[in-house]
Amino acid sequence: DTAVSQTPKYLVTQMGNDKSIKCEQNLGHDTMYWYKQDSKKFLKIMFSYNNKELIINETVPNRFSPKSPDKAHLNLHINSLELGDSAVYFCASSLGQRANSPLHFGNGTRLTVT
Amino acid sequence: GQQLNQSPQSMFIQEGEDVSMNCTSSSIFNTWLWYKQDPGEGPVLLIALYKAGELTSNGRLTAQFGITRKDSFLNISASIPSDVGIYFCAGISSGSARQLTFGSGTQLTVLP
Repeated sequence: DTAVSQTPKYLVTQMGNDKSIKCEQNLGHDTMYWYKQDSKKFLKIMFSYNNKELIINETVPNRFSPKSPDKAHLNLHINSLELGDSAVYFCASSLGQRANSPLHFGNGTRLTVT
Repeated sequence: GQQLNQSPQSMFIQEGEDVSMNCTSSSIFNTWLWYKQDPGEGPVLLIALYKAGELTSNGRLTAQFGITRKDSFLNISASIPSDVGIYFCAGISSGSARQLTFGSGTQLTVLP
């Protein structure tokens, strides 16, 4: 199936730990994103990569570090996890940055920090 | 930063009724998108609008790009139980890096 897939779907961990979320897309897109959805369902962009190059880096703590080994993958590593990091993280992709290229989202990773 | 005001925040309707929701912005957008999110899944694109005044349908869904380029609405006709979910508007401005701004979502509940 063609899709944006991210793993794991659920991640429960303790404060202070380091964790990673992986994302892969087989849609042939060249731009990938990480979004954070908070408890009120608000979606906020965190990062965007185009052809492995960082193009959007919103005001996100530097404990969050995205890594794009190739244009089909964009992983998110989080250091020293905090309670406030608990949220659902969505990976997305699009074909270029043109306005007529809507985002395709993965099914999310629900991160719970205890 | 840019903000989208989406209303209503939630709706409870009877099956078969029509639904309308809208988004307004303080700034101009070049593209309006409407997404639906089912529980435990990511948002899925419903309709994309690229020109001011554009009216586009997708089955029972109809969306319009406002003439002022600062608003958009989504209508759902003859609602069915599977319409339940969160509907998000999203806009893309003409600024650099093609940033997509999301509305706060409308939680739709369809009662049988």
